Amino acid sequence: QSVLTQPPSASGTPGQRVTISCSGSSSNIGRNLVYWYQQVPGTAPKLLIFSNSQRPSGVPDRFSASKSGTSASLAISGLRSEDEADYYCATWDDRLSVVFGGGTKVTVL
Amino acid sequence: QVQLQESGPGLVKPSETLSLTCTVSGASVSSGHYYWTWIRQPPGRGLEWIGYHYFTGSTNYNPSLKSRVSISVDTSKDQFSLELTSVTAADTAIYYCVGATGHLNPWFDPWGQGTLITVSS
Repeated sequence: QSVLTQPPSASGTPGQRVTISCSGSSSNIGRNLVYWYQQVPGTAPKLLIFSNSQRPSGVPDRFSASKSGTSASLAISGLRSEDEADYYCATWDDRLSVVFGGGTKVTVL
Repeated sequence: QVQLQESGPGLVKPSETLSLTCTVSGASVSSGHYYWTWIRQPPGRGLEWIGYHYFTGSTNYNPSLKSRVSISVDTSKDQFSLELTSVTAADTAIYYCVGATGHLNPWFDPWGQGTLITVSS
C-alpha cells in the first residue's frame, strides 16, 4: 500500500482533458514539493513535473500540475495517443524517505 | 548529456546478497551535482526509493530497507553500487540507477534503463 494515494486508472478520448489526483498527508505533500513521472510500458520513468508545477524543458505545455494542502493533481489537456502511460506522483516524507503514489494508468480510448 | 547503465547478475538465490553496479558517463560521481540513487519496481507494481550516496560520503536509505542496504561510490571508475543482503522473492524487481538533484527532493533525472533482478533458487 502506497503512502500517496492515486486512482489506479483514468481514461479519455483524444483531445479530452484528464486529471489525476495524488493524496497524501501533512508529513509529505503538506510540507514538501511534489514531482510527477510518466512511464511508458517497458521503459524507465521520465520526469514530467518538478517543484509542484514546473515542466522540464521538452515537456509539452499540455501537461500541468498543482498542489493544495495535502493533495496534488496532474492534468493532461488535449489528450493524445502517446500520453498512454503510467503516471506517478512523488515527494519527500518527513519520516525520512521519498514516497511514491501507486501509479495511475492512463488509457486513450 | 549524463547517461547511466546498470549491470548485475540477473538471478540471485534467496538469502544471498544482491550486488548491482551503475556506470556513469557524461558526469563524474565526485562532482557533487547528483545524489546517486537506486529505485526499484517489482514487476507490474509501483516505484520504491531505496536510497542514495552523495560524494561527501553521506548516505540516506529507505527505513524499510536500511538494515539490508548499502550504496557506495567508486570514483576511479565513475561507478556507484548497490548491495542488498538476505534477499527474498519480495526483492524481485527492476532496479534503476538514477541521478537525483537535491537530497530531500525526488528530482530524479537521469535514469538508467533498468535491470531485472529475479530472486529464485
